[in-house]
Formats: sequence, C-alpha cells, structure tokens
Amino acid sequence: QVQLQESGPGLVKPSQTLSLTCTVSGGSISSGGYYWSWIRQHPGKGLEWIGYIYYSGSTYYNPSLKSRVTISVDTSKNQFSLKLSSVTAADTAVYYCATGVAGTTSSWGQGTLVTVSS
Amino acid sequence: DIVMTQTPLSSPVTLGQPASISCRSSQSLVHSDGNTYLSWLQQRPGQPPRLLIYKISNRFSGVPDRFSGSGAGTDFTLKISRVEAEDVGVYYCMQATQFVTFGQGTKVEIK
Repeated sequence: QVQLQESGPGLVKPSQTLSLTCTVSGGSISSGGYYWSWIRQHPGKGLEWIGYIYYSGSTYYNPSLKSRVTISVDTSKNQFSLKLSSVTAADTAVYYCATGVAGTTSSWGQGTLVTVSS
Repeated sequence: DIVMTQTPLSSPVTLGQPASISCRSSQSLVHSDGNTYLSWLQQRPGQPPRLLIYKISNRFSGVPDRFSGSGAGTDFTLKISRVEAEDVGVYYCMQATQFVTFGQGTKVEIK
C-alpha cells in the first residue's frame, strides 16, 4: 500500500502563502486511476476537503477555497504539492495528504500542523 | 454543495454491544456512472483518518467484519456489531459523488 508523508513549514505569517509537499512511497504518483488529495482539520474539528489532482493532471478544488488553492504534481520526485495563498488564522489546521481510486481515500499521511501567526 | 448530516454526534456504547451511526445527504449520491461514492472513515485519537467502508458497503482491506455499511440514495448507516475498546474514536461519512464533503463526525466512546 502507498505511504504518504507531508512536509513543509509549521508556521506561516498572515497574508503569506502556505506551501506543503506530500512525498509518495510504495507506488508511483503516475499510477492510473488515483486521486491525490489535500484535506485539512481545524483544531478539535471535523474534516474539510481542499482539493485533489487526478493522475491525468486535472484538478478539482473546494469551491470555498478555489480562489486561493493550487495543487500540482512533480512526477520526477513522486510528490504532489499544495499552495494556499493569502492565509489567515482561520487556515490554522492539520493538513493531510491522501490518495485513493474513485470515491475513496484509502491511504493517508500522518498530517502536519500549520499555524498561521505573526 | 452536498451537505452530509450524521446522527448521533455522540454515542456512548457498552463494550460488546452494537453501535449504529446514520448519515444523510442533502441530495442523492448516485453518480452518473451508477456508483454511489459514500465512504466511512474512522479517526482514532491522535491518528489520521482510516478508510473503513467504501461505496456504501465494501469493507476496505484489513477492516474487521464487525463493521458493516448499508443504505442507498440519501440515507446510509454504519454498524458495529460488537464494539471493542479499539473502536473508540470519531467516525465520518464522506461523499465523493460531487466533489468531496464530510459529515460532522460521530464520537464513539465506551460507557
């Protein structure tokens, strides 16, 4: 089964861009049929889908975040990335990367806490 | 957006007894391809979520058979036939028929 690991700064200043990377091991990010997702969880709260990129390169974003989100893939490094611009304290959360075939999220990273603060 | 509503939000259960969680969607989850993309996830304390059930009733690899899913259209249920101590956590339903949205979560705890 695919393993995922998030990495990136744990602290981001307000108005800046949050950038995270998910490194994939145990499988190829170019594998057909897989959706590569970012999901976040505000402290003590439920799950919020941010978006995903299909293996073909097509992207789909949560409409509420769409104007600020970019998800991309680097096949040479077997990684995919999240950029969230113009962050505020409301973007403080644990960010997870996840993957699965249509309609599933069968593999998850351990999550990384990102705090937005000056 | 499809809104997912779970009930109850908290479920105290006696060890060895059954538990049931309901999930209702604001519109049908039947996709144009004929599939219904409704999953159930378990999140143990301090852990990432884990897939239990996909497409209403299919148990994911390694998931004990005491977990079962059922339903159709807009109404779905997760059942635990006999709750064990390791089942403590928060359970989420998730739809992926139209983008992705999650239920609020149901906390299962031992009485």
